[in-house]
This record gives sequence, structure tokens and C-alpha cells, in this order.
Amino acid sequence: EIVLTQSPGTLSLSPGERATLSCRASQSVRSSHLVWYQQKPGQSPSLLIYGASSRATGIPDRFSGSGSGTDFTLTISRLEPEDFALYYCQQHDESVLTFGGGTKVEIK
Amino acid sequence: QVQLQESGPGLVKPSETLSLTCSVSGASITNYYWNWIRQPPGKRLEWIGFVYYAGSTNYNPSLRSRVSMSVDTSINQFSLRLTSVTPADTAIYYCAGWDGATHNFRFWGQGTMVTVSS
Repeated sequence: EIVLTQSPGTLSLSPGERATLSCRASQSVRSSHLVWYQQKPGQSPSLLIYGASSRATGIPDRFSGSGSGTDFTLTISRLEPEDFALYYCQQHDESVLTFGGGTKVEIK
Repeated sequence: QVQLQESGPGLVKPSETLSLTCSVSGASITNYYWNWIRQPPGKRLEWIGFVYYAGSTNYNPSLRSRVSMSVDTSINQFSLRLTSVTPADTAIYYCAGWDGATHNFRFWGQGTMVTVSS
């Protein structure tokens, strides 16, 4: 089973700042199989980025994904108030699908 | 607009069977893979498995011996059964639709909290 480790656990930033979230895999992950989700309090996760770098429908271009192999990054170029939330990465291989532990982006 | 809605008991006794249903509206149940995902309090999301409209399934190996899923295409619903539950199965249970073309959970239900306790 591929384990995904997200860092940092919590990111304290101000609106307008840049956020950089990391997702590291215990084994190589196909880029087409790496996904990012956003979860706001009391809500279910929602699709943000798929295929490591493709934005889902309706996602603003301040969100971008990058990376390959075992290291992937989600970047929010300029934080808006609605971006303060929990972010998860997820991968799947032939046997099982796994999620990272999440990074909470909070207002500083 | 695609909507998924979980339903089922919020409290299950230890050793009994947890049963949940997800109702799908706004999308054909034949177009996606239908999944269950759970999140125990304070822990990460855990994929339970999926069922396809034709009846094929794939389960997380860690839960395979206790899980079964089914789909009823006539009423656009799919279901989860988890047997021999323990307090460790206490979690928010989400149903979600997987897009096989783009490899992601495109649709999510709002989630339902299930507590295992006597």
C-alpha cells in the first residue's frame, strides 16, 4: 500500500499570501493518478486538481498542482478568504486507493 | 446537478452489521464507479471500495473480509454492508462517484456519521 505523507500539518498564512502544500508518496505514483481535494468545515471533500496538475471544472487558476514520482505540490498563489480549508492528496494503484493525512490552511 | 445522499442508521451495536444506502440523482449510475469512503474521528480518509453498475466490485484489502457492496440500477442506488462492526468502525461514511476517465472522485455525498456502540 502506498502511504501519502502531507506536510505541513497546518499552514498559518494571511489572505493574499502564497501557500505551498506537499504530498510525498512512499512509492512512485503515476501522475495521472494523483488528485487533490479541498474540504471545508462541515462539508464533504470536493475535487480540486486531478492528474497532478489539471484543475477541475470551476477551480480558479490561483490553484495549481505539480510534481511527479514521489513528490507532488499544491500551490495557491494568492490566498482568498474562501481558501482557508483542509486539503487532501489521494492516489490509486492496482490494489488500493489511499489518501494523505491532510494539510489545514488556517488564517494567521 | 449530480447529488448523492447517504441514508442508514446512525448507531450500530458492536458485532452487528452496518448497512448504508446512497441515492444518486442527476447522473446515470452506469457512467461511474460508485464508492464508499469513511473518516474516523481525527483520522485520515479511508477508501472502503467500489461497485460498478454491472455488479463488479473492488474492496480495500484491509476490509475485504467484512465488506460487500451492491447496486440497484432501477432506482439509482448503491449500498454498503459492513459486518461484525467494532467501535473502530465509528466514522463519517461518504458515498462518492469515481470518474474512470479522469481518475478522481468527481461527486461526493454529504456524509453520514455512524457510531458503533452498545
